[in-house]
Parts: sequence; C-alpha cells; structure tokens
Amino acid sequence: NAGVTQTPKFQVLKTGQSMTLQCAQDMNHEYMSWYRQDPGMGLRLIHYSVGAGITDQGEVPNGYNVSRSTTEDFPLRLLSAAPSQTSVYFCASSGLEYEQYFGPGTRLTVT
Amino acid sequence: AQSVTQLDSHVSVSEGTPVLLRCNYSSSYSPSLFWYVQHPNKGLQLLLKYTSAATLVKGINGFEAEFKKSETSFHLTKPSAHMSDAAEYFCVVSSNDYKLSFGAGTTVTVRA
Repeated sequence: NAGVTQTPKFQVLKTGQSMTLQCAQDMNHEYMSWYRQDPGMGLRLIHYSVGAGITDQGEVPNGYNVSRSTTEDFPLRLLSAAPSQTSVYFCASSGLEYEQYFGPGTRLTVT
Repeated sequence: AQSVTQLDSHVSVSEGTPVLLRCNYSSSYSPSLFWYVQHPNKGLQLLLKYTSAATLVKGINGFEAEFKKSETSFHLTKPSAHMSDAAEYFCVVSSNDYKLSFGAGTTVTVRA
C-alpha cells in the first residue's frame, strides 16, 4: 500500500513552459485535491475532485488545470508557467472522516 | 465560512519539557479538526483528529489535543519534547466537508 505518490520530486521550468504533475493513490478514495505551499501561508487549495469525472476550483486555481479520468489518478497541469508558481505542490486524498493523506510533494521552480 | 489561527509562529522548548501549540478556529458548523506535522522537506503527516467524539484526542508520538467549543480552541500538547519533534505543525479545520482550511503553521525548535 503506497498511499499517495507524486512525481516528479523536483522540477525546474522556464517561464511559459507547460508541464504536468502526477498524483496517484491506491486507497480507493473518492476525494482528491491539490495544494500549494508557500512560506508563512500554510497550504492553499488549488483544485479538488469528489470522484472520477468531477473536478472543481479551490482557492487559487488560476494558471492550473486538472482532470480525473480514474479514481486513482489526479494530474495537475501548469498551462504556461510563471515565476509566481514557484512553490511546493502537494496532492492529497481523503478518508471517510475528512482527514487527508498527503503525498511527498513536488518542489517546482520557475525561472 | 471557516478559518484557523495559530497563535504562535515559532515555539522553542528544551528537550524533556512540555510543548504547547495554540490553535483557535471558526466554523459555521460543528467542525472536524486536525493537527498535521511536517518535517523538513517532507510531506504532511496526520498527528490526530477530532470528529465530534471525545473532546480529548490522543495522537501519535505522545501528542494530544483538547477540543474546547466554548473557547473555539484546539490546542496541541506533549508532556515531554524530543529532538525528533522539531518540525512545523499545522492546525486544520473542516466544516464537515472535504475542503480544509490550514493555519499558517507553528515551527517548533527543540534545544538539547
């Protein structure tokens, strides 16, 4: 049981490039979410999904897209990277009492 | 609407002494409350959760938290700090849905 996995661990992009951050979970959780973590700001919700085929925006969705074609996978796409998107990104899935289980994170730098 | 305020951005304790991390919350509904720990360059790990059962909640690694509705607080404590407790701690609230609100975090330093 791997829990929540994320790839890559580190990524450097140039401004304007696009990329996809991968997230997968093997706990059969319906709810999955993406957060970004910036110093002194805790975690902020980017997008979330309550099940395959259903996604919605969180607190800071601009510049990001998501899709959910299977229960297991929830990729996050950066459409045109900007320096303001330099951050650490965490994927999470939720259990029955709303507790969330986090992946190890992706550290993204946009130059 | 829901929000969380962690009252201390940084706490420093000596090894073997008690740790207290303070958290106040606001929620329109009966909340679920969580504490998470994040060690440097790691993901977040669930320490404990309150979901309307016992108000005193015991978690992993000797931590516990008490839900006080009248004070809208959910403070985290540990009787005796260990060097491995040095980390950042997040108080989190959910108004019984999947959208969580995170506090800004408290960094704990443990002195030998």
